[in-house]
Amino acid sequence: DSGVTQTPKHLITATGQRVTLRCSPRSGDLSVYWYQQSLDQGLQFLIQYYNGEERAKGNILERFSAQQFPDLHSELNLSSLELGDSALYFCASSAEMNTEAFFGQGTRLTVV
Amino acid sequence: GQSLEQPSEVTAVEGAIVQINCTYQTSGFYGLSWYQQHDGGAPTFLSYNALDGLEETGRFSSFLSRSDSYGYLLLQELQMKDSASYFCAVRYDSGNTPLVFGKGTRLSVIA
Repeated sequence: DSGVTQTPKHLITATGQRVTLRCSPRSGDLSVYWYQQSLDQGLQFLIQYYNGEERAKGNILERFSAQQFPDLHSELNLSSLELGDSALYFCASSAEMNTEAFFGQGTRLTVV
Repeated sequence: GQSLEQPSEVTAVEGAIVQINCTYQTSGFYGLSWYQQHDGGAPTFLSYNALDGLEETGRFSSFLSRSDSYGYLLLQELQMKDSASYFCAVRYDSGNTPLVFGKGTRLSVIA
């Protein structure tokens, strides 16, 4: 158990819809990262938050947004969903200047 | 952009040794990590190198050559449970920047 909790584990929704993925980082970790992993693909970095503020942005679509709350949990919002958004979405957390990132079990999103 | 290169697939026999290579772009390099991911599972941390040389953790070792922008993961005494995908990942600029992952190497261990 990495200590990072993601909900829900599975999500099936229709095209055009909007979903919210949730992540609770390890206790004390200030950095939260979101990654997307499509079938047989590597992990594509989407966005990083550090202590409530956006720190870095990767290949995140404009239809996607995220935030980190004062209690450090984070949410990833995906809107106007398309079939191609079907993927595993991972959240990871790390302590400041810590080289190891701890990953949650992921949310498997299926858009039909 | 920042890209990493690693082989897409490797097959090895149980009990053998396998080496998975990774090359990366040099500019701003901070450190190289390796992660293991079983099918349907989460990536889990294996090792980290910031300085040249070999880091050993049990059956797994990781090596880095900063001058060659190259590293590898060495798995010894392979077991069937080692069948998984292995990702190299690089942090650029500092220890608080996002990990940039390679596309992963799928290791199949056969009897």
